[in-house]
Amino acid sequence: QKEVEQNSGPLSVPEGAIASLNCTYSDRGSQSFFWYRQYSGKSPELIMFIYSNGDKEDGRFTAQLNKASQYVSLLIRDSQPSDSATYLCAVNEGAQKLVFGQGTRLTINP
Amino acid sequence: SQTIHQWPATLVQPVGSPLSLECTVEGTSNPNLYWYRQAAGRGLQLLFYSVGIGQISSEVPQNLSASRPQDRQFILSSKKLLLSDSGFYLCALGLAGPFEQFFGPGTRLTVL
Repeated sequence: QKEVEQNSGPLSVPEGAIASLNCTYSDRGSQSFFWYRQYSGKSPELIMFIYSNGDKEDGRFTAQLNKASQYVSLLIRDSQPSDSATYLCAVNEGAQKLVFGQGTRLTINP
Repeated sequence: SQTIHQWPATLVQPVGSPLSLECTVEGTSNPNLYWYRQAAGRGLQLLFYSVGIGQISSEVPQNLSASRPQDRQFILSSKKLLLSDSGFYLCALGLAGPFEQFFGPGTRLTVL
């Protein structure tokens, strides 16, 4: 069974600081890595994906991938209260499925 | 761009009653479709996925079933609901190649 591990949190970060969310995965054959944001009571929303080692930036979000260490992270710069949500890490399993972590609950304190 | 519809949005059902949840998608053809369940405070559990009409793969043996009668329609059913079936049911659409999945708004099911 492929596994994706995340710290469940809650992770509390002051407004304006950098939030760092981490994820490890077990399958060395995984090729695609995703970060979803889920507000309470809502469905997950895809915010970032990364396929290659290194960093990928999109606005205030940066995804980092290290395939050798089987580690993917999400950095949120200049954190805002609206970033408070649960963040789900997902990794592809073959061509048709994603394996999701349990999610990290992030709270941004004004 | 693709759109995913799910209904109903919320549902309260007694134990032992049947269930039918519907998912329809727009803006794409021959998508992969998925049913997930998220119990309160828990992660996403993949229940079923389909790569085409009439093709269903089951991930977790339980009292639920799925059907795909049309290319853009995916249905989740049960003949007799259990208390443990309560949760947030999400339909997702998968795109070939990037493996990205996009979620519908979900159906919140409470079994009493």
